[in-house]
Amino acid sequence: EVQLVEAGGGLVQPGGSLRLSCAASGFTFSIYWMTWLRQAPGKGLEWVANINQDGSATYHVDSVKGRFTMSRDNAKNSLYLQMNSLRAEDTAVYYCARDVGWHNIDSWGQGTLVTVSS
Amino acid sequence: DVVMTQSPLSLPVTLGQPASISCRSSQSLVHSDGNTYLNWFQQRPGQSPRRLIYKVSNWDSGVPDRFSGSGSGTDFTLKISRVEAEDVGVYYCMQGTHWPPTFGGGTKVEIK
Repeated sequence: EVQLVEAGGGLVQPGGSLRLSCAASGFTFSIYWMTWLRQAPGKGLEWVANINQDGSATYHVDSVKGRFTMSRDNAKNSLYLQMNSLRAEDTAVYYCARDVGWHNIDSWGQGTLVTVSS
Repeated sequence: DVVMTQSPLSLPVTLGQPASISCRSSQSLVHSDGNTYLNWFQQRPGQSPRRLIYKVSNWDSGVPDRFSGSGSGTDFTLKISRVEAEDVGVYYCMQGTHWPPTFGGGTKVEIK
């Protein structure tokens, strides 16, 4: 069974940094693209970034480009999202997800809440 | 970015009755490889989203066959043939054809 468990969320001040992690199990992590998405409280879903199988290519949406960096460690079956220069509008539940091809997400984690507030 | 527009925003349904959700994209979702990367997700209250349908009309395993997806180009529909209590939640369409992938605003299905 595919399991994705996010961690690292919490309360951070505007301008601060946070590093999210996602532990994957139940599948061969290294052969899949992986994705981070987010959902602001009471709002819809937003794609944040994705990464190819060996981590050599990452794609970030414009709203986080230059501030967030996605990475992975296939030896640890883990995914990361380094978030810098955080803003209030980054407040959301962050999900990691498995991409089975062409942005086709078939599995989601339970999410971790990031709150950016002073 | 491709704008995905869902309607209605809210859908009160009587148990056992059908329901239909529309999703329209601001540009064609037909990829150069011939596929149409349009997915549907269900998010029950307090839960993570769950994929129901991928590439317009393909069911995920474990998804009841009362759910069906259809459409082409820029117009897509998710239908529930007979709504059950466990179907309550928010439904999202999502396009993966164009970068960045984008979601519709969601349709909240509730029981009358």
